[in-house]
Amino acid sequence: QSALTQPASVSGSPGQSITISCTGTSSDVGSYNFVSWYQHHSGNVPKLIIYEGSKRPSGVSDRFSGSKSGDTASLTISGLQAEDEADYYCCSYARSNIFVFGTGTKVTVL
Amino acid sequence: QITLKESGPTLAKPTQTLTLTCAYSGFSLSTSRAGVGWIRQPPGKALEWLAHIYWDDDTLYSPSLRSRITITKDTSKKQVVLTLTNVDPVDTATYYCAHSGSSWTSFDHWGQGTLVTVSS
Repeated sequence: QSALTQPASVSGSPGQSITISCTGTSSDVGSYNFVSWYQHHSGNVPKLIIYEGSKRPSGVSDRFSGSKSGDTASLTISGLQAEDEADYYCCSYARSNIFVFGTGTKVTVL
Repeated sequence: QITLKESGPTLAKPTQTLTLTCAYSGFSLSTSRAGVGWIRQPPGKALEWLAHIYWDDDTLYSPSLRSRITITKDTSKKQVVLTLTNVDPVDTATYYCAHSGSSWTSFDHWGQGTLVTVSS
């Protein structure tokens, strides 16, 4: 099972919107609505920001939204803020009862 | 309040067996849909899912590590244990344990992580 493919880096200016893609296959992203997204600031613990494709945990800003089309899931950050600068990882439940993480995306706020 | 904390050796030698313990509180691993998993991150690299155990003793394993890894739970001690055999320097990583709850396919609470270095 290969890692889900994410762009290595995405950047944007404060206030802009950016989208991070997470491409899998018909065995993972394409088969289930079980994609989750994690924000990971260096030195901190990963934080769940989206689960089951598009749901936000309590306390997570509504500037974060998730979607899916076919084998690709996406995370959109609206109204980009300096505090959003971090690494972001997608994760999908997959056939054969496993989980697979994405390759990770570094978000830079210009 | 859900908390998890990893413990174990910080240094292991190649070919040794690594045993990591996740002590949890604030939830019951006997409750339907509850689970605890292990995820690791080698220095400078991406997160990698290793294993997961659910309230009903269902266990999931990474295909690439299936032959070397075991996950068990002791609900009386509120612990989940990960065992990784025949470690190699490539197993050097920060190891996290994480909780899954009503959304059994996501990890909503994470431990602080423990750095394990494999070196002779």
